[in-house]
Amino acid sequence: KAGVTQTPRYLIKTRGQQVTLSCSPISGHRSVSWYQQTPGQGLQFLFEYFSETQRNKGNFPGRFSGRQFSNSRSEMNVSTLELGDSALYLCASSLAGNSEVNEQFFGPGTRLTVL
Amino acid sequence: KNEVEQSPQNLTAQEGEFITINCSYSVGISALHWLQQHPGGGIVSLFMLSSGKKKHGRLIATINIQEKHSSLHITASHPRDSAVYICAVTYGGSQGNLIFGKGTKLSVKP
Repeated sequence: KAGVTQTPRYLIKTRGQQVTLSCSPISGHRSVSWYQQTPGQGLQFLFEYFSETQRNKGNFPGRFSGRQFSNSRSEMNVSTLELGDSALYLCASSLAGNSEVNEQFFGPGTRLTVL
Repeated sequence: KNEVEQSPQNLTAQEGEFITINCSYSVGISALHWLQQHPGGGIVSLFMLSSGKKKHGRLIATINIQEKHSSLHITASHPRDSAVYICAVTYGGSQGNLIFGKGTKLSVKP
């Protein structure tokens, strides 16, 4: 079974631009969560999608948005990029139903550099 | 104040040593996760537990719900165990939302 894939793996953008990152979950997984990792703040939760609906959202500005498609693939978008958005963006998928907690499987991440 | 506290922050050990990494959290949780992150960024889930103890190879994870504390043990440590170990928790009603500790950077010397 293929693991979680993320594209692109590396990305360089300039301030003010926007970026879209993609995540393909493990087949059969319906939940996709996104996380940001920076040296200063560590790993922080961005949002989670389940069955095409945003189920949870972290404490990030509205410039960070996401969506999930019917095949469970997910994208996240960051508009008006700032230098502080430079980070490793990780997605994770799980079976996660409505009530139970399931193990999360992480993708390799997209390393975004904002110049 | 971070809701998930890990100790130590950094740990250097000699090959073969028994290693313990600790994690404490502040409120009731649905599950606790131990994750491993190697240089380059990839994260692997080692354990997910809500009570008791789990073992996988040389790794053992325990959790004490009453004390809100978990430990990750590595027996007979090896240089390939060198990585950052991260404790994370899931709170009730937030199945896909992990709250992370700052991580413990482990270096095992041959």
